Amino acid sequence: DARVTQTPRHKVTEMGQEVTMRCQPILGHNTVFWYRQTMMQGLELLAYFRNRAPLDDSGMPKDRFSAEMPDATLATLKIQPSEPRDSAVYFCASGLVRGQPQHFGDGTRLSIL
Amino acid sequence: DAKTTQPTSMDCAEGRAANLPCNHSTISGNEYVYWYRQIHSQGPQYIIHGLKNNETNEMASLIITEDRKSSTLILPHATLRDTAVYYCIVRGYSTLTFGKGTMLLVSP
Repeated sequence: DARVTQTPRHKVTEMGQEVTMRCQPILGHNTVFWYRQTMMQGLELLAYFRNRAPLDDSGMPKDRFSAEMPDATLATLKIQPSEPRDSAVYFCASGLVRGQPQHFGDGTRLSIL
Repeated sequence: DAKTTQPTSMDCAEGRAANLPCNHSTISGNEYVYWYRQIHSQGPQYIIHGLKNNETNEMASLIITEDRKSSTLILPHATLRDTAVYYCIVRGYSTLTFGKGTMLLVSP
């Protein structure tokens, strides 16, 4: 089965460091989503792209977070500088048109000390 | 997107059918009903979706009422591996908005 691949699966780093999370969407999917999950807030949408163009990043803290799609096979989410409150599991999902489901990766578990 | 209401938790005996309800009384005509589940430490897993008609796949069945204001996800023969949080989501042109879901515990 085709899968969304996220790397790294786990990341522990110190406050102030840059963090880069990567996502390889399912081949042929034209929409990519980034979500964040915490115990307090649950699953929240951070940003999404269609055909590599950003459509909505209103859920993302703009001062420290950035999301890009350098090509159709790679999406990145960067945090610079990282803070302890950024500790969460970050999920990437990909999909096609509106009536079809998104498929999620297994996430990057991020801990900022 | 329309808001959904689900019970916080449910129990089910292994081998029995699990029927998970969802209310979405403000759903509009072009919005789909999606079900996902999340097993601990994994990403959300797509289960099934539908617009108006009942749907069935290898994982589950989705029953949508005629007025579309509620739906039920049916796992016909629950196993211990079906223990998870189940999310009912109404999706239009925007993205998925996850609520708190139903924690289904399947017991031996």
